[in-house]
Amino acid sequence: ETGVTQTPRHLVMGMTNKKSLKCEQHLGHNAMYWYKQSAKKPLELMFVYNFKEQTENNSVPSRFSPECPNSSHLFLHLHTLQPEDSALYLCASSQNSGGLRDTQYFGPGTRLTVL
Amino acid sequence: SQELEQSPQSLIVQEGKNLTINCTSSKTLYGLYWYKQKYGEGLIFLMMLQKGGEEKSHEKITAKLDEKKQQSSLHITASQPSHAGIYLCGAARATGNQFYFGTGTSLTVIP
Repeated sequence: ETGVTQTPRHLVMGMTNKKSLKCEQHLGHNAMYWYKQSAKKPLELMFVYNFKEQTENNSVPSRFSPECPNSSHLFLHLHTLQPEDSALYLCASSQNSGGLRDTQYFGPGTRLTVL
Repeated sequence: SQELEQSPQSLIVQEGKNLTINCTSSKTLYGLYWYKQKYGEGLIFLMMLQKGGEEKSHEKITAKLDEKKQQSSLHITASQPSHAGIYLCGAARATGNQFYFGTGTSLTVIP
């Protein structure tokens, strides 16, 4: 596989469920990102990881818990979500985090619906 | 208010027509990215502009950066149905790890 992959592509969960989103990049990048895209709102940066270390947490509620075991994999663990958390969750990677010259490459996203 | 405002919010054009999408920043721009998103899917990188006055082209898509106006424009020549989607501009701040996306422009091209 090439580029950035995300699984699952679609997820429906109840508010009491625990689930995880997975992202894998095959680009040899060192930085990975989670974004949230809600209807009629700009993409919101959630977390940034650089060389497996979290470098940014954009005031994300604790019901979202990221994990980056290595530079190629990024997880987003979900628990006790709310219906307003329903959105498209996008993962991205770049050579390094931050900076203006690092193009981010995105995965296809996971469409999450919280019932 | 948003850091990056795009206009128009949506655009419907006849195939073959030219169109322009604008992205205006409320803060000083040091560089700007353009992405395209198919509905409900990930973002596809189009191009990145770094210097004021810079202009880049990719197939029939041209983007310019006007640092003085804190604005970038994306121009599509002779639009085709394959150009349909959501166009997003994005920019990073000079410091830190914050990256902002614009509000998006939804483009429909009618055959």
